[in-house]
Amino acid sequence: DVVLTQTPSTLSATIGQSVSISCRSSQSLLDSAGNTYLYWYLQRPGQSPQLLIYLVSNLGSGVPNRFSGSGSGTDFTLKISGVEAEDLGVYYCMQATHAPYTFGAGTKLELK
Amino acid sequence: QVKLQQSGAELVKPGASVKLSCKTSGYTFSTSYMSWFKQIPGQSIEWIGMIYAGDGGTGYNQKFKGKATLTVDTSSSTAYMDLSSLTTEDSAVYFCATPGSWGQGVMVTVSS
Repeated sequence: DVVLTQTPSTLSATIGQSVSISCRSSQSLLDSAGNTYLYWYLQRPGQSPQLLIYLVSNLGSGVPNRFSGSGSGTDFTLKISGVEAEDLGVYYCMQATHAPYTFGAGTKLELK
Repeated sequence: QVKLQQSGAELVKPGASVKLSCKTSGYTFSTSYMSWFKQIPGQSIEWIGMIYAGDGGTGYNQKFKGKATLTVDTSSSTAYMDLSSLTTEDSAVYFCATPGSWGQGVMVTVSS
């Protein structure tokens, strides 16, 4: 199975600070058709995951543009440009290029 | 808008089975894929498998083959997941999800 390694595991930030989360894959997520099925989700406490980014860099419906995704192959990054209070929770990357789909262990974003 | 409404919490005895439902609205169910996920509280997320509502075709995570069975009822736009031979290790929150939307999750507790 593909292993996704997220760093850091915990991120402390102040409101307005910009932060980044890394997601590294044990193998390339580029498929034979040229697609990269890498997603980012936010799970707020007690809630189900919410899609933030799909296919590496595409913003999900209704997601604020302070969120952005980048990367290719095995290295991917989620950036939040100006953290807001509603952004607190656990961030997961997920790959759907190789079955079974797998998730990173998560990055908890908390207020400093 | 897209809505996925899952059935209520379940308390079941070891060795029993349980059938979870996920009623959908707001999109064309019959030509869509539905995935199911497992999350033990405080841990990351596992992909169980997915089903294509158009023909009932399925794909499973090898880890959950024999444990989970996915079906759909296109007349009611509802997806189902049967979990069999339950043990305490199956106690978790289970989510249904389309590519962009997730159900609220259902807690399954396996206890004698």
